[in-house]
Amino acid sequence: RKEVEQDPGPFNVPEGATVAFNCTYSNSASQSFFWYRQDCRKEPKLLMSVYSSGNEDGRFTAQLNRASQYISLLIRDSKLSDSATYLCVVNMKGKTSYDKVIFGPGTSLSVIP
Amino acid sequence: DTAVSQTPKYLVTQMGNDKSIKCEQNLGHDTMYWYKQDSKKFLKIMFSYNNKELIINETVPNRFSPKSPDKAHLNLHINSLELGDSAVYFCASSFSGAGELFFGEGSRLTVL
Repeated sequence: RKEVEQDPGPFNVPEGATVAFNCTYSNSASQSFFWYRQDCRKEPKLLMSVYSSGNEDGRFTAQLNRASQYISLLIRDSKLSDSATYLCVVNMKGKTSYDKVIFGPGTSLSVIP
Repeated sequence: DTAVSQTPKYLVTQMGNDKSIKCEQNLGHDTMYWYKQDSKKFLKIMFSYNNKELIINETVPNRFSPKSPDKAHLNLHINSLELGDSAVYFCASSFSGAGELFFGEGSRLTVL
């Protein structure tokens, strides 16, 4: 089983739609969780951290379920500029107790006019 | 000022050659990483250094040798390049335990 798994998509949605991405991770000792965004031919950039209590940033809502080892990202009122690949990221402490930041394979989103 | 900078951005070379990619960060971070993103866009961790010490080596062939002369620099040297080494190599840095990684723009390596 891969350490971090996501549905690769692509998700093709009309402007204004709500879209949800899911992610599962294998290591129950994982410590911190994030969503990153990667535009075509660019570097990944942090979109938001994911907290156990859930967190919201404008049109974006992230949820974490530690018991199910599941992370989600909800995007409301999709904009054309949301088109990108969304990467689920998990910090699994390595054997040395240092950070081991693992990226999921990414979910591709295309928002269509 | 670029926070994490990599050079070169593009590298085209023949099989069997040796090449290096350099990375520098001016964010004062103590941890640096190399990731490989292949044609399927999967971003895979290769190495991680904390304060110049190698802490993660993810079963990368020993043709790949990272070097960290100080905590602001992490270079990647690749010997005897193979076709399968063609990819985008991303350098990143962070504060240990903080979780947020800052990436360079990537170095696109093409092996012919």
